[in-house]
Amino acid sequence: QVQLVESGGGLVKPGGFLRLSCAASGFNFSDYYMTWIRQAPGKWLEWISYISSSGSKIYYTDSVKGRFTISRDNAKNSLYLQMNSLRAEDTAVYYCARGSGLIPFDCWGQGTLVTVSS
Amino acid sequence: SYELTQPLSVSVALGQTARITCGGSYIGSKNVHWYQQKPGQAPVLVIYRDSSRPSGIPERFSGSKSVNTANLTIRRAQAGDEADYYCQVWDSSTVIFGGGTKLTVL
Repeated sequence: QVQLVESGGGLVKPGGFLRLSCAASGFNFSDYYMTWIRQAPGKWLEWISYISSSGSKIYYTDSVKGRFTISRDNAKNSLYLQMNSLRAEDTAVYYCARGSGLIPFDCWGQGTLVTVSS
Repeated sequence: SYELTQPLSVSVALGQTARITCGGSYIGSKNVHWYQQKPGQAPVLVIYRDSSRPSGIPERFSGSKSVNTANLTIRRAQAGDEADYYCQVWDSSTVIFGGGTKLTVL
C-alpha cells in the first residue's frame, strides 16, 4: 500500500541543523510532487516546501527560505529536508505528503518531531 | 498574501448535520481541499477539488463552494467525526491552509 515514513527528527539547539528523510513505498515516487508540511504543538498546519517530480521546481514558504533545502532521490524513493540555522519557532511535527497543494495531499507520513531548544 | 478563515470550533449533535466554513477572497475561483486530523494522527484528505470524495471517505462528507466561502458538510455526524478540519488552497505557487476548525460531536 501507499506509505510514507519520516525519520530524522529530534532535539537540537538553536542554530543547529537536522536532516529529515521521508521514505516512500507503494507507488511510483518519481511521478509525484512531494511536500513538507509542519505543525507546531497545538497549532495549525503550515506548508514549508514542495518539489516537483523531477526536482526541477522547488518552492519554499518565506519563513524557511535560505535556511531549509528540499531535495529528492528518485532512485531511492526518498524525500529530504535539510534544516539549518534552526530556531525555537521551527519546533513542530514535520510531515511529508504526496502532492503539491494544487494536487491534493492524498497521502501523509506519520510525522517526525523536531524540537529546537537549548 | 492569501488567507483562509475558519471558525475555531463547531459543535453538532450526534446524528445531525455539521457545516464548517472556509472563507477566502474569491475562493470560488480556486480548488479547495479539506483534511481531517484526529488527535495524535496525521491529516487525512476527505474532500478534494471542492466536492470530490477520495475512496474510503463516507458519502456523509460533502463539499460546496460559493464566491467567497467553501463549505464542508458532514451529515449524520458520528462520534468518530470529532476532529480538526482544515481547508487548503493553492495560490501563487504556494500552499495555503486555513487555521483549522475543531468539530465537537455532542
